[in-house]
Amino acid sequence: GAGVSQSPSNKVTEKGKDVELRCDPISGHTALYWYRQSLGQGLEFLIYFQGNSAPDKSGLPSDRFSAERTGGSVSTLTIQRTQQEDSAVYLCASSENRGGGGELFFGEGSRLTVL
Amino acid sequence: AQSVAQPEDQVNVAEGNPLTVKCTYSVSGNPYLFWYVQYPNRGLQFLLKYITGDNLVKGSYGFEAEFNKSQTSFHLKKPSALVSDSALYFCAVRDWNRDDKIIFGKGTRLHILP
Repeated sequence: GAGVSQSPSNKVTEKGKDVELRCDPISGHTALYWYRQSLGQGLEFLIYFQGNSAPDKSGLPSDRFSAERTGGSVSTLTIQRTQQEDSAVYLCASSENRGGGGELFFGEGSRLTVL
Repeated sequence: AQSVAQPEDQVNVAEGNPLTVKCTYSVSGNPYLFWYVQYPNRGLQFLLKYITGDNLVKGSYGFEAEFNKSQTSFHLKKPSALVSDSALYFCAVRDWNRDDKIIFGKGTRLHILP
């Protein structure tokens, strides 16, 4: 497909377990973002990758959260020792960037439920 | 750092009436501004953007938005609302001087009443 692909679409885990969420952006898109959407909380920025530059990690809520982007393409968001407050929909988006004005294309999200 | 404010959590409009969804922003440089829509149980979709040029930009589904630099606003508008416009709307900003990340507002839920 030509869109942004995220997996898994749903993940239920127990408190304290680690989870990995994957994002496959649109081919050729240099910018990749992770956001978190909780009920009533809007879209919370987590991390931003742009080409070969160092990622902007300023939105990661704690050191339990980390993300990497391999080969400028696929990205993985890892949450260690999950807590109930981590339950949310995690959205990935990519962009051509085009001097900064390129719009974001979003995946369908990964819904994480921590029991 | 940039920020976006959507002052209304919810807006109710009768079908056929004009609608406005408000957005104000703060950036240290010049903004790129965006509107996105999220329909129930669906992903976020791009509606329109302001990069440069005309302050009035037109987008998908008959929506438009006006960039007002003096008021630092980018309100979303539509002349005649449809029930199918009911959704969650997000405003977003990027500071292009700093090649910075895109930040979203908290969203405004739009209810179009038949």
